[in-house]
Amino acid sequence: EAQVTQNPRYLITVTGKKLTVTCSQNMNHEYMSWYRQDPGLGLRQIYYSMNVEVTDKGDVPEGYKVSRKEKRNFPLILESPSPNQTSLYFCASSLNSVTGELFFGEGSRLTVL
Amino acid sequence: GEDVEQSLFLSVREGDSSVINCTYTDSSSTYLYWYKQEPGAGLQLLTYIFSNMDMKQDQRLTVLLNKKDKHLSLRIADTQTGDSAIYFCAESPRSNDYKLSFGAGTTVTVRA
Repeated sequence: EAQVTQNPRYLITVTGKKLTVTCSQNMNHEYMSWYRQDPGLGLRQIYYSMNVEVTDKGDVPEGYKVSRKEKRNFPLILESPSPNQTSLYFCASSLNSVTGELFFGEGSRLTVL
Repeated sequence: GEDVEQSLFLSVREGDSSVINCTYTDSSSTYLYWYKQEPGAGLQLLTYIFSNMDMKQDQRLTVLLNKKDKHLSLRIADTQTGDSAIYFCAESPRSNDYKLSFGAGTTVTVRA
């Protein structure tokens, strides 16, 4: 089944404790992206990747890192989480750009205390 | 996203038509999209329209694009309880095939 898988789905952590949210897709897509969803703000793009080893900042990259060492994986790293990073995070992928259909994961709800 | 604006809530009676409106700012946008998010799930592409089109119809869905006013709308005919969801408008600017700007989302509630 074609899918985008994120882990963990739910996480409560404390300020400053490094964490990684993993994202994996099985569709051989070149493009992958991370979004955060906040009430009243919709989805805002954090980082995106056009292909292996090629990443770029989205609209809200501060406090986040990403890497794309393999085509299928695009982890989101929070080196020192802060409470303002409490949010619902979505990973998405598409064949080669956003002009094609974006496939979304089910989301990872992160709470930073 | 600040470049795409939508009203936040819409309540509609089952069987009526729903109309969700969206305004965008980038006149060079190549594609405009409607994504649907059901409770507890990720977003799914509902439909899209290319910028050289005025209208697109797909079963119960009708998308209207007014390029002059930078206005996009989604009409759902015969709205059903399964249509209760958050609907996001999104634009893809011509200048960047890798960025997609989303609106804040319109929460549609279908009442019996």
